[in-house]
Amino acid sequence: DAKTTQPNSMESNEEEPVHLPCNHSTISGTDYIHWYRQLPSQGPEYVIHGLTSNVNNRMASLAIAEDRKSSTLILHRATLRDAAVYYCIPYTDKLIFGTGTRLQVFP
Amino acid sequence: DSGVTQTPKHLITATGQRVTLRCSPRSGDLSVYWYQQSLDQGLQFLIQYYNGEERAKGNILERFSAQQFPDLHSELNLSSLELGDSALYFCASSIGVASGNTIYFGEGSWLTVV
Repeated sequence: DAKTTQPNSMESNEEEPVHLPCNHSTISGTDYIHWYRQLPSQGPEYVIHGLTSNVNNRMASLAIAEDRKSSTLILHRATLRDAAVYYCIPYTDKLIFGTGTRLQVFP
Repeated sequence: DSGVTQTPKHLITATGQRVTLRCSPRSGDLSVYWYQQSLDQGLQFLIQYYNGEERAKGNILERFSAQQFPDLHSELNLSSLELGDSALYFCASSIGVASGNTIYFGEGSWLTVV
C-alpha cells in the first residue's frame, strides 16, 4: 500500500481558501488519488479523486503534482461545515485510511 | 444521503454474543466494503466483496466473517464478542473495483459490547 503523509491538523478562517497537502511518494502509476472527509460520528464522505490532471467539482479542487508524488486538496472558501478530518488515499486494490488532517474552521 | 443503507444503526449486546450487521449498497453497485472505527483507532479496512466474491481482505479477525448475497446486499457477522469490538462499523459500496471508482459510505452501525 502506498504510504501518505499529511499534516495532523490545520486551521482556517471562514470564507478563506484552504490548501490541504498530501505526500504520496510511493504511489504507483495507475493508482487514483482519492480524498475523503469525515465529520464526528459520521461515515466518510467522498470529496474528489484524480489520476494525473487537476480536477474540479462542486466541493473542491484537486491539484496533482506532475510527478504524482504529492497532491493538494483546495477548498476555495471554507465554511464551518468544512471542519472535518480529511484523508488523502492512493487507491491501490484497497482503500486504506491513514490518520488524515483535522481541519478547524473559525468564524 | 449516500444511498448506502446500514442496519441496525445502534446495537447493544453482551460479551460472548453474536451479531449481524447488514448493508444494502447503492443501486447498481457491485462492490461492498466493510470498515471498523473504534475510539482509539482510525478507520480499519476489514474486507471487500465484488459481485458475491471476496476480493480483498484487511485486518479482519477470525471471529468476524462476511458475505455478499446474490441480491448484492452484504452482512458482517461478529461472534464471541469482546469489549474491544465496540466500534462504529461502516459499509461502503462502489460500482466496480477500479481505482477510479467513487466509493460511497453508509452512516454506520454503532456496536456497544457490555
